[in-house]
This record gives sequence, C-alpha cells and structure tokens, in this order.
Amino acid sequence: GAGVSQSPSNKVTEKGKDVELRCDPISGHTALYWYRQRLGQGLEFLIYFQGNSAPDKSGLPSDRFSAERTGESVSTLTIQRTQQEDSAVYLCASMGQGRTPLHFGNGTRLTVT
Amino acid sequence: EDKVVQSPLSLVVHEGDTVTLNCSYEVTNFRSLLWYKQEKKAPTFLFMLTSSGIEKKSGRLSSILDKKELFSILNITATQTGDSAIYLCANAGGTSYGKLTFGQGTILTVHP
Repeated sequence: GAGVSQSPSNKVTEKGKDVELRCDPISGHTALYWYRQRLGQGLEFLIYFQGNSAPDKSGLPSDRFSAERTGESVSTLTIQRTQQEDSAVYLCASMGQGRTPLHFGNGTRLTVT
Repeated sequence: EDKVVQSPLSLVVHEGDTVTLNCSYEVTNFRSLLWYKQEKKAPTFLFMLTSSGIEKKSGRLSSILDKKELFSILNITATQTGDSAIYLCANAGGTSYGKLTFGQGTILTVHP
C-alpha cells in the first residue's frame, strides 16, 4: 500500500473493556511509532519499534497499555480495562532509514463510554 | 523534560493575508525541528529544519530555525481557504528521529 494504514478508523467501547488497534506501516519502513492525540492537544509519544531492537516504551501512560510488532510489519496497540481518559485519536507512523520524516496513518478514534 | 510551545493557539484570517506561526522549544538534546499540517486526520509533513538561519520554502510556505534563541517560525503568504488546518511543530531530540515532542498546535482558519 502507498501509506500507513490503521484499523479500525473508529472504535466505541464500554469502560472496562479491552481494545486492540492495528497499524500496517509503509512497506520497507523499519521504524514504527504510536502516538496519542487527545482532543485539542498535540501528539504524545507512546512507543516505538526499530527493527529487532527492544521497543522504547517510555511514553506508555500505564501498564494497561502495551504494543507488539511482528518483524518489520504489522503492529497492534492494546489497551486493557479502558478508562474514559483513554478516549483519544491513536496515530501510528512509520519511518524509513536515515533522517527522514514520519509518515502518519489516519488514526483510530477511540471513544470510551 | 522537553517542551515545545506554539503561539498563537488559534488564528483567524481572510484569504490573501500573510500569517506567521511561532514555535519555541526547550530540549535536552536537539536533532531537528519539524512542522506538520493536520487537516482532518493524518498530519502531513511540511518541513524539517536542522540548521539555523537557512530558510526552507515550499510554494507559499516557508520556515526558518534559530538555534540560538530556540525558536522557529512558519510563514504562509497569500493564504487560501485550503490552508485552514492545525499546524504542529515538533522537536526530534530523543534516541530516534521519529520520537517527537509536539507542541499543542496552532489552529488556522482562513475565511474567503
């Protein structure tokens, strides 16, 4: 595909349920990032994967958040026992080699009721 | 803690006006300063700045970085309604060029 693909585009869930968000990066991009954007705010870094290295999880807000990546392809972000403050747009981005900019997907809008 | 602050938070202009958006940063490690445009969904890349004083241009948009005073500006001349968007400034200062600290964004509205 031409760009970063995320699914679902929208997700409404009840408080306390688990959700999984999916990201397909641009083919050949070795680095993959997850960001969160709350309403009216800038993007907050959550986690990134670079090749086979251990992921940088320093932005994950709590142990309810986790992410996995299979090789250099698909990644899933899992939020367990969702809370209302988890409501946000979750954006995935990938990056090629060297000093190149991030390419973002369209995001998943998560609403926790 | 790294910090990026944008001003103004919102701006309303008419077509044809010129606008200047501001971004200041305080970071422990600087790699580059980036500008993104966000319309409805995915932020799209505009500029990456690494050196002071060198203006980058793309059509009616231009940007410059001052590493001594720790700020950047984004200029848009002859604005059009299609320029209406959120403009995001971000610093790449961590262990990766993609690990960005974003400002809160400037919401630009261009009226016909």
